[in-house]
Amino acid sequence: AQKVTQAQTEISVVEKEDVTLDCVYETRDTTYYLFWYKQPPSGELVFLIRRNSFDEQNEISGRYSWNFQKSTSSFNFTITASQVVDSAVYFCALSDRAGTASKLTFGTGTRLQVTL
Amino acid sequence: KAGVTQTPRYLIKTRGQQVTLSCSPISGHRSVSWYQQTPGQGLQFLFEYFSETQRNKGNFPGRFSGRQFSNSRSEMNVSTLELGDSALYLCASSTRTGGDEQYFGPGTRLTVT
Repeated sequence: AQKVTQAQTEISVVEKEDVTLDCVYETRDTTYYLFWYKQPPSGELVFLIRRNSFDEQNEISGRYSWNFQKSTSSFNFTITASQVVDSAVYFCALSDRAGTASKLTFGTGTRLQVTL
Repeated sequence: KAGVTQTPRYLIKTRGQQVTLSCSPISGHRSVSWYQQTPGQGLQFLFEYFSETQRNKGNFPGRFSGRQFSNSRSEMNVSTLELGDSALYLCASSTRTGGDEQYFGPGTRLTVT
């Protein structure tokens, strides 16, 4: 069975601090996809990144970066120089059975609060 | 390109009634998935439709059903509503089935009284 664990329930930082959100996953499949989504107070889930299981290269997009390590089954998300607009709930998700179905298994989310 | 749209945005129903929620995917997307979000259970997968066929179903009772039309628009229906069905229902669309990034709509907030 697939499972995603986000052990950090809530994180509070001051603006301009760096913050890392942890994600640990479990799956028996060798082909799978990992995702991060942001849910601001408005409620809509915003897609941030998708990474397949064969690509362990780290990715950077502006202030966002992701570290994928298959050896530890982790897919962590770092925000550099956080801003108040980054305040939201962040979800890590896993999709396996790639090519046959699109079921996303979500973690419980990490609420990030960025204050001035 | 317009995003995923869901109607209605808010809904209040009474226990025992039934409800139908609608989702229009991004143009060109053929896969539509539905999720339920509650404070207690988090985000849970309901089902996925691709080319008018249900491809996968989550662990929900048969009161939850859905369908997809030839234009990829999808509806989900919940019959005999229970208080525990109160939730945010999110629809997501993707180009294909299986591993593609899914883009979510704003959701329908259902309250059952």
